[in-house]
Amino acid sequence: QVQLVESGGGVVQPGRSLRLSCAASGFTFSSYGMHWVRQAPGKGLEWVAVIWYDGRNKYYADSVKGRFTVSRDNSNNTLYLQMNSLRAEDTAVYYCARELQIGFAYCFDYWGQGTLVTVSS
Amino acid sequence: SSELIQDPAVSVALGQTVRITCQGDSLRSYYASWYQQKPGQAPVLVIYGKNNRPSGIPDRFSGSTSGNTASLTITGTQAEDEADYHCNSRDSSGNHWVFGGGTKLTVL
Repeated sequence: QVQLVESGGGVVQPGRSLRLSCAASGFTFSSYGMHWVRQAPGKGLEWVAVIWYDGRNKYYADSVKGRFTVSRDNSNNTLYLQMNSLRAEDTAVYYCARELQIGFAYCFDYWGQGTLVTVSS
Repeated sequence: SSELIQDPAVSVALGQTVRITCQGDSLRSYYASWYQQKPGQAPVLVIYGKNNRPSGIPDRFSGSTSGNTASLTITGTQAEDEADYHCNSRDSSGNHWVFGGGTKLTVL
């Protein structure tokens, strides 16, 4: 069965860095685009970043562009999110999600359980 | 970038039908997908594409689109359907995705 397991969250001071990981299993990881989505406490979902199945293209939300970097290791079935220059407003649960595309229909068909990042001094 | 607009809260009587809407220009180009999220849990996909349900999602959930508005309809709402519902689509640029603000559904 498809499993996505995030790790790497924690408490970090403003301006510091953190790297999140998402370990994938149960499907051919190298065939799917992967996303990071976050949710601040008590707020809605916010799309963060996408990386294509082969890693050649990456796109970011304006709120994280230039500070966050998404990458993947298809040989180890792992997705990463390198977060630099963290701000208090980056505090959120971070989810990784698999993208499913059928024609003009796109969706996130599987999600991890999330990892909490708290940016605080 | 595009945005998707959802009503913050909707209520429905047990057993009745409720429609949750999502409005945005990107919906003229891309289908919305809908996610159910219960407290402390990860989102779960309930509707995608024109009107597709993943395996395990009850058939009381359905979706539709008209112009720039996507709708999620729950027919015969059950108590366990009380949750937050989020819509999502690829944005008009094609390189970003966007979520609506979410709708909190209360079952009375």
